[in-house]
Amino acid sequence: KNEVEQSPQNLTAQEGEFITINCSYSVGISALHWLQQHPGGGIVSLFMLSSGKKKHGRLIATINIQEKHSSLHITASHPRDSAVYICAVSPSGSRLTFGEGTQLTVNP
Amino acid sequence: DTAVSQTPKYLVTQMGNDKSIKCEQNLGHDTMYWYKQDSKKFLKIMFSYNNKELIINETVPNRFSPKSPDKAHLNLHINSLELGDSAVYFCASSPGLSYEQYFGPGTRLTVT
Repeated sequence: KNEVEQSPQNLTAQEGEFITINCSYSVGISALHWLQQHPGGGIVSLFMLSSGKKKHGRLIATINIQEKHSSLHITASHPRDSAVYICAVSPSGSRLTFGEGTQLTVNP
Repeated sequence: DTAVSQTPKYLVTQMGNDKSIKCEQNLGHDTMYWYKQDSKKFLKIMFSYNNKELIINETVPNRFSPKSPDKAHLNLHINSLELGDSAVYFCASSPGLSYEQYFGPGTRLTVT
């Protein structure tokens, strides 16, 4: 069993819908990262958080350290949000352990 | 200006060959990484260098050898390439340990 589990694996939404992707982990961590991998393959860091909540534009990330759970929310989704969203945790220092990713498709 | 760059972007080679992938970052970061993304799109850490010192060396075959000539560069040399080495290799950098990481565009390696 992977130390980082994401759900759902695949998600299809209509433009404008509110989207939630979940991440659960089984180890103690110093930080949790959300990454976006574009259809062209490039990877962009969206958030790094160790407590509470962060917001960038239409994206919101939350983390509950006690429950070892994080969520990534996208409000007013758009077809350009279609990508793979990857949760990764840092058990210590710089080492990242990755989830398997969630493929999001937003249809117009 | 590209923050983290990798060359080449695509690499097709035959089994048994030796090849290198280069990575450079112009962000002034102290820490650099190599990741492997397999055919199922799963990412795994391979190596990490902090200030030119190797700090993470995952269970990677000895055929893979990272080299960091300076803080801005981390190259990956692969000897005796095997079919299973086919993957996308990503370089990344961060200001230090436990910081947000910036990824390069990836190098798609195909071993035939």
